[in-house]
Amino acid sequence: KNQVEQSPQSLIILEGKNCTLQCNYTVSPFSNLRWYKQDTGRGPVSLTIMTFSENTKSNGRYTATLDADTKQSSLHITASQLSDSASYICVVSRSGAGSYQLTFGKGTKLSVIP
Amino acid sequence: SQTIHQWPATLVQPVGSPLSLECTVEGTSNPNLYWYRQAAGRGLQLLFYSVGIGQISSEVPQNLSASRPQDRQFILSSKKLLLSDSGFYLCAWRAGKYEQYFGPGTRLTVT
Repeated sequence: KNQVEQSPQSLIILEGKNCTLQCNYTVSPFSNLRWYKQDTGRGPVSLTIMTFSENTKSNGRYTATLDADTKQSSLHITASQLSDSASYICVVSRSGAGSYQLTFGKGTKLSVIP
Repeated sequence: SQTIHQWPATLVQPVGSPLSLECTVEGTSNPNLYWYRQAAGRGLQLLFYSVGIGQISSEVPQNLSASRPQDRQFILSSKKLLLSDSGFYLCAWRAGKYEQYFGPGTRLTVT
């Protein structure tokens, strides 16, 4: 069964600190993995997209890693800001899926406090 | 640039009432369009997708239906809402091979 598991479910950190969010998946065959940021009551916004051949990708203070062998990804946030408070969703796409199916994780809710 | 609109932003409807949510996309033609639902504490669930006018595929059997009357318009409907239809509804469109852009969402509360 195609699944995406994210941990932790929620996280509280102090402003300026770093944090790492985890994503494990069982989606097969793998096509790509995306991380989205979703502010409360808003639609998700893409942070990074990684294909099978990519093992790291950065977007400002966000750095995503991918280990396709162990089927794990992480999102590292450096020097957190209050505006980083949001849910972070890991999404995995299955290759060969005619309907372009994505499997979504439940997200990690990050709270950055002053 | 491409923009995706959804309305209304929030909606409170009684059980048994009809529903119509609208999504429109600007700045692109013949987009693949998607409807998702996000229930509290759960991941996004794909409800419908469309690759063109009048072409609708359903991923999950349910109380909802979708239509695509125009190239850049996607509508989500229900004849009779259930309590379980409450959630956050997101429209999205596919750009290129991998990217997918989401709209601002509609918060539906069925009472």
